[in-house]
Amino acid sequence: QVQLVESGGGVVQPGRSLRLSCAASGFTFSSYGMHWVRQAPGKGLEWVAVIWYDGSHQFYADSVKGRFTISRDNSKNTLFLQLNSLRAEDTAMYYCAKYSGSDYRHFDFWGQGTLVTVSS
Amino acid sequence: EIVLTQSPGTLSLSPGERATLSCRASQSVSSSYLAWYQQKPGQAPRLLIYGASNRATGTPDRFSGSGSGTDFTLIISRLEPEDFAVYYCQHYGRSLWTFGQGTKVEIK
Repeated sequence: QVQLVESGGGVVQPGRSLRLSCAASGFTFSSYGMHWVRQAPGKGLEWVAVIWYDGSHQFYADSVKGRFTISRDNSKNTLFLQLNSLRAEDTAMYYCAKYSGSDYRHFDFWGQGTLVTVSS
Repeated sequence: EIVLTQSPGTLSLSPGERATLSCRASQSVSSSYLAWYQQKPGQAPRLLIYGASNRATGTPDRFSGSGSGTDFTLIISRLEPEDFAVYYCQHYGRSLWTFGQGTKVEIK
């Protein structure tokens, strides 16, 4: 069965960096696009970034463009999110999500998330 | 950028009642790109409906989605105790994915 396990979250000071990982199993990782979605405490869902199945394209939400970088290692079935120049408003649970791979453009499986807290 | 507005913000109902959740887009969107998710406290979201009306694997048939253009609806025909949760609609357009702000279905 599909499993997505995020790691790398923690408490970090404003302006610092953090790297999140998402280990995937149960499907052919190299055949699917992957996303990061975040959720601030008590708030709704916010899409963050997507990377194509082969890493050839990445797209970002305006709120993180230029500060966050999504990447992947298909040989290790792992998705990454590099978070730079962190701000208090980046505090959130970060979920990785598998792209459906169909014409419908939705997220069909989600990990349990890793919490990032930006605080001095 | 398309904005999705969900209503009501909170729906207070009893088990066995029918729930009707609305998702309105700021401009006409493709129904193929409209999905619904359920999120319970402390859990990750779970896909319920994709393509506006297609139930995901494992979604009970008491859940149904419909709509087109700017107006989409998620109906839960008879609420079960496990259905009390927050529901989000989501849309894809021009390499951007957006979510509505969510509707909380709570026990009355």
